[in-house]
Amino acid sequence: QKEVEQDPGPLSVPEGAIVSLNCTYSNSAFQYFMWYRQYSRKGPELLMYTYSSGNKEDGRFTAQVDKSSKYISLFIRDSQPSDSATYLCAIQIGDTPLVFGKGTRLSVIA
Amino acid sequence: GAVVSQHPSWVICKSGTSVKIECRSLDFQATTMFWYRQFPKKSLMLMATSNEGSKATYEQGVEKDKFLINHASLTLSTLTVTSAHPEDSSFYICSARNAGGNQPQHFGDGTRLSIL
Repeated sequence: QKEVEQDPGPLSVPEGAIVSLNCTYSNSAFQYFMWYRQYSRKGPELLMYTYSSGNKEDGRFTAQVDKSSKYISLFIRDSQPSDSATYLCAIQIGDTPLVFGKGTRLSVIA
Repeated sequence: GAVVSQHPSWVICKSGTSVKIECRSLDFQATTMFWYRQFPKKSLMLMATSNEGSKATYEQGVEKDKFLINHASLTLSTLTVTSAHPEDSSFYICSARNAGGNQPQHFGDGTRLSIL
């Protein structure tokens, strides 16, 4: 079983839709949870960073962590064509290297 | 805040040459920097972790003599691909983490390396 599983998509939604991106992980020791957005030929950009169960909101983005289920989600409200990118979940134990999901390719169609 | 600058963004060179890539944290001090390699439509693969003032820690399968890493200051790390060959062509991305505890990694914009 891989440490983190992420559906690679691709996921295509109409503009204005709510997008739900998800990752599951196997090791309950993971402490830190991140979502990065990566545009083509660019480096990943940090969107959300959290370390506790529950929701964290930033503008149109909401990160959700459920440690009991080992499940993390990123919700994007009112999606825009500019949100079209690959979204990577990343999890971490202490100072150990990040463990990345495979990334989900999202296309928001105008 | 938390800006990481990577240079150059794109380099093309002949087989056998060495290429240096710079990674700078612009507005924070980074005791730890990371170097990744990314193949098309794949996730990031960690190559090495570098700590300021000490030798880098390489991941299994990464040749330390091929990929030289220097982390000479709290804001600069360099990756030198020595005697590059076409199979070294890839997208290389650095990231840096603030010296404070429990800080996330911030990434540069990557360097596209093409070896002819």
